[in-house]
Amino acid sequence: KQEVTQIPAALSVPEGENLVLNCSFTDSAIYNLQWFRQDPGKGLTSLLLIQSSQREQTSGRLNASLDKSSGRSTLYIAASQPGDSATYLCAGPGSARQLTFGSGTQLTVLP
Amino acid sequence: EPEVTQTPSHQVTQMGQEVILRCVPISNHLYFYWYRQILGQKVEFLVSFYNNEISEKSEIFDDQFSVERPDGSNFTLKIRSTKLEDSAMYFCASSYLMSYSYNEQFFGPGTRLTVL
Repeated sequence: KQEVTQIPAALSVPEGENLVLNCSFTDSAIYNLQWFRQDPGKGLTSLLLIQSSQREQTSGRLNASLDKSSGRSTLYIAASQPGDSATYLCAGPGSARQLTFGSGTQLTVLP
Repeated sequence: EPEVTQTPSHQVTQMGQEVILRCVPISNHLYFYWYRQILGQKVEFLVSFYNNEISEKSEIFDDQFSVERPDGSNFTLKIRSTKLEDSAMYFCASSYLMSYSYNEQFFGPGTRLTVL
């Protein structure tokens, strides 16, 4: 059964700093890994999906990597802004058609 | 840009009552999902639906839950007799499923269900 862990649970950084969020998973036979953003009381916004054949995926200031052999993924945010403040969730498939979520990293970017 | 929509945004009900949560998935998507998030906890998978039948379900999705695609656009989750512990945010999601490795799921804004 897939288990997903995210460390740290919370992170506070000054504006402009580059940062890395970590995600680890137990079942390395994953098809893909998806990163989401969740604002308080809101839905989940898909940020990036990395397929199992890829090692990295980029979207704007975001770069996600996937290392199946070590069971890890990272989300790199460049030049952080106060608008990046949110909870970031990673999710890997527990099977082909269901996602298993981590508990998230709550990011605060201080102006 | 196409998006998943959900109604209502907030539903308050009495314990034991039936509730129906509604979702309109992205129009060309083929797979539909329900997840829930109890306050302060992880997002949990409930059920996936394809070709008018349940594809997978979790142990949370017991006989009190059912899903339906009553027409070409709506996807519903019914809870027959709500319990206090059903209070949660319920998210609908959809995906096209081009392949197992490329199955990006898009989520709606959620329905907050409060059971009194």
